[in-house]
Parts: sequence; C-alpha cells; structure tokens
Amino acid sequence: GNSVTQMEGPVTLSEEAFLTINCTYTATGYPSLFWYVQYPGEGLQLLLKATKADDKGSNKGFEATYRKETTSFHLEKGSVQVSDSAVYFCAPSRDAGKSTFGDGTTLTVKP
Amino acid sequence: DAGITQSPRHKVTETGTPVTLRCHQTENHRYMYWYRQDPGHGLRLIHYSYGVKDTDKGEVSDGYSVSRSKTEDFLLTLESATSSQTSVYFCAITNGTGVSYGYTFGSGTRLTVV
Repeated sequence: GNSVTQMEGPVTLSEEAFLTINCTYTATGYPSLFWYVQYPGEGLQLLLKATKADDKGSNKGFEATYRKETTSFHLEKGSVQVSDSAVYFCAPSRDAGKSTFGDGTTLTVKP
Repeated sequence: DAGITQSPRHKVTETGTPVTLRCHQTENHRYMYWYRQDPGHGLRLIHYSYGVKDTDKGEVSDGYSVSRSKTEDFLLTLESATSSQTSVYFCAITNGTGVSYGYTFGSGTRLTVV
C-alpha cells in the first residue's frame, strides 16, 4: 500500500519567511497527489493537487510539483503570513480515491 | 455552502454502548469515506463507500461498521464503543472516479468514550 513521510514539525517561521514542507511517498503506479490544510478547530480543506508527473499544483500562494523520479511533492510558499498557521497534510490517492495521509506538519507563523 | 455535514459534532458515550455517526451530503457524489484523526497518526481510513449499498473496509475497520442506503447518507457505527475509539471522526466525499479530484471534508465529530 501507499505510505507517506512528511517533514516533522512543528515549524515556526516569522512572517514573510520562505516555507518548505517536505513530503515523500511510496506507491505502486502513479497516484494523484494532494496537500490539505487544517485550521484550528476545523476539518481539512483541499489546498492543491497534481495528478501526473511534472504537474505543479498551486493555490493561495502555495505550490507543489509532482516529482515522479524522487517520489516527492514538497509544499512551498515564498512569503508566509500569520493566517497560514495551520496543520498541513500530504496525501497521495489512488484506488477508488482512497488517500493515505501523512502525520501532518504544524506551522506557526509569528508576526 | 456546506455540501457535507456531520452529526453530532460532539458526543460522550460510555464503554460498551453502540454509537452511530452520520454523514450527509448534498453533492450527489458517489464516493464517501470515514477517517479517524488521532495525534501522531494523521488520518486513517476506517471504511469507504463507492455507491449505495457498496462499501469496503479501510486500514482500521475493526470494531466499526457502515451502511449506505441512500446516496446522501453514510453512517458509521461503533458496535460496542471502547476507549481506544476516542477520536475525531471525519467524513469525506469526492466526485467522479475519486482519484483525481481530492476530498471535501465534513467538520468532524469529536467522540469521547468514557
């Protein structure tokens, strides 16, 4: 089955800093890849996705590129804001849409 | 604009009692999923459904059953609740074949088994 390794947190950054959260996965075939975000006290929300090799998903200033050769899908943002403080989950998906989730990376952005 | 709702939002129950959580969607999506979220474990799949009366087990299905008698409702039942089932439960839905679309999640049910 699939497995996901996410960068361990927590991650604490100052506002306007550059963010990278690493994600690598193991999977048979070519899964679709997703990043989800969970704000405090809420459910998860889809942040971005990529469905084939070399695709770049982007949303709200966040980006991630599907790297088949390294089986990675690292999340980046050039300038984080306090409002980006949340838990981020990497999740490959295939086989009837079942997703495997990483353990989550908690991001705190300080003003 | 919530196309997916979960009920109840919070529940405290006693060990050994049956508990049913409900997931209701208004999106007419084929695929529905139940996950549990625990510290240090991310989200783990309990059961999922790919159509009315069509369900299958996920990675942590022991002690849980599901039913889907209508497209819009997916019920998760804890047959006899145990303290290890204290968790936050999320329902998710997805469109089409499911693989490429990603999930829409409900707001979650926080279940405490005492």
